[in-house]
Amino acid sequence: DTGVSQDPRHKITKRGQNVTFRCDPISEHNRLYWYRQTLGQGPEFLTYFQNEAQLEKSRLLSDRFSAERPKGSFSTLEIQRTEQGDSAMYLCASSDPGQGGNSPLHFGNGTRLTVT
Amino acid sequence: QKEVEQNSGPLSVPEGAIASLNCTYSDRGSQSFFWYRQYSGKSPELIMFIYSNGDKEDGRFTAQLNKASQYVSLLIRDSQPSDSATYLCAVNKGANNLFFGTGTRLTVIP
Repeated sequence: DTGVSQDPRHKITKRGQNVTFRCDPISEHNRLYWYRQTLGQGPEFLTYFQNEAQLEKSRLLSDRFSAERPKGSFSTLEIQRTEQGDSAMYLCASSDPGQGGNSPLHFGNGTRLTVT
Repeated sequence: QKEVEQNSGPLSVPEGAIASLNCTYSDRGSQSFFWYRQYSGKSPELIMFIYSNGDKEDGRFTAQLNKASQYVSLLIRDSQPSDSATYLCAVNKGANNLFFGTGTRLTVIP
């Protein structure tokens, strides 16, 4: 168990640019989640995959955001035309299918995005 | 009304004391409850989860759940300076995501 891996750890970009983040979940976990966290707040749910299927998306996920998990393993989160309000920590998490929706989430180290 | 509410703190306790962290949730249908610890600049780390009413103990940590009162708590016994962090309460309503509180910042004073 090598844990959830996210890349890059930090990303600084100029407003209007596109960015893409990658997440590699724990290998036997078929559920993968993306969350966003801003300073002083708890993580906010963005989207959820079970295997390769994106089963749920938050209203926070505007049409500038897209997430994929093409082979049911790693996932990518792309933000197009970044805005300063997108600056946040983007957290990926995965969970063991054994306990269904009640399984604990295991988080990666996150990608901190700064939009200038 | 927020899904999950926590006192933001800061909560300060002396080393060796018991730290008590509290959380309330709004949806009576919530099924599972989690406590995460988050150090500054780091990602949340799972400490405990609880599904049934009552207490669940793991080392120095005890999670308490009272579904009738929609209340979850975390007790940390023999608090250490290394316990200083933000503690996040999270609730699963049976859907496929967790709702997090804003966290309580704990400081353990040596």
